[in-house]
Amino acid sequence: EVQLVESGGGLVQPGGSLRLSCAASGFTFSSYWMHWVRQAPGKGLVWVSRINSDGSSTSYADSVKGRFTISRDNAKNTLYLQMNSLRAEDTAVYYCARDRSGSPGRWWGQGTLVTVSS
Amino acid sequence: QSALTQPASVSGSPGQSITISCTGTSSDVGSYNLVSWYQQHPGKAPKLMIYEGSKRPSGVSNRFSGSKSGNTASLTISGLQAEDEADYYCCSYAGSSTFEGVVFGGGTKLTVL
Repeated sequence: EVQLVESGGGLVQPGGSLRLSCAASGFTFSSYWMHWVRQAPGKGLVWVSRINSDGSSTSYADSVKGRFTISRDNAKNTLYLQMNSLRAEDTAVYYCARDRSGSPGRWWGQGTLVTVSS
Repeated sequence: QSALTQPASVSGSPGQSITISCTGTSSDVGSYNLVSWYQQHPGKAPKLMIYEGSKRPSGVSNRFSGSKSGNTASLTISGLQAEDEADYYCCSYAGSSTFEGVVFGGGTKLTVL
């Protein structure tokens, strides 16, 4: 059974950093692109970033470019999102998702909440 | 990259059909047959309903169908049921000289009357 489990969320002050993890199981992680998608409280889904299967290619939304870094460790079946210079508007539930045809596909994690506040 | 445009809300009675539109540009919806649709119930993770414009993942009811014309994609739900009440989001791969990635629509709240 495919499972994606996010962790690492929490409360952080503006300007601070946080690293999210997404542990994958039930499929050959190294064969799939992966995405991060976020959802601010009461708001819609917003794509954040994606990484290709071997980690050699990444892409970011303009709103996080230069502050967030997506990476993966295929030996550990884990996807990461390093978030620096956090702002209040980064407050959201962050989901990891397996790719399907260039977009988030069928498999999503349960999400991890990041709150940026002083 | 601009978000895709969806109506904020739609409604229908049980048994009726509704259509949700998703308008993009020639850099996303119009150039690629890579539109996905997701259903999200409150407090839950999104569920993929349609991918590659019109394909249904296994287990998704055939009451859900997708199509595209020009820069606008559409999700049609036929035979509305109470459990279809949820938020629906479209999403497209996007590629241009300045951006390569994914864009979502703002979401549409479906109310089953």
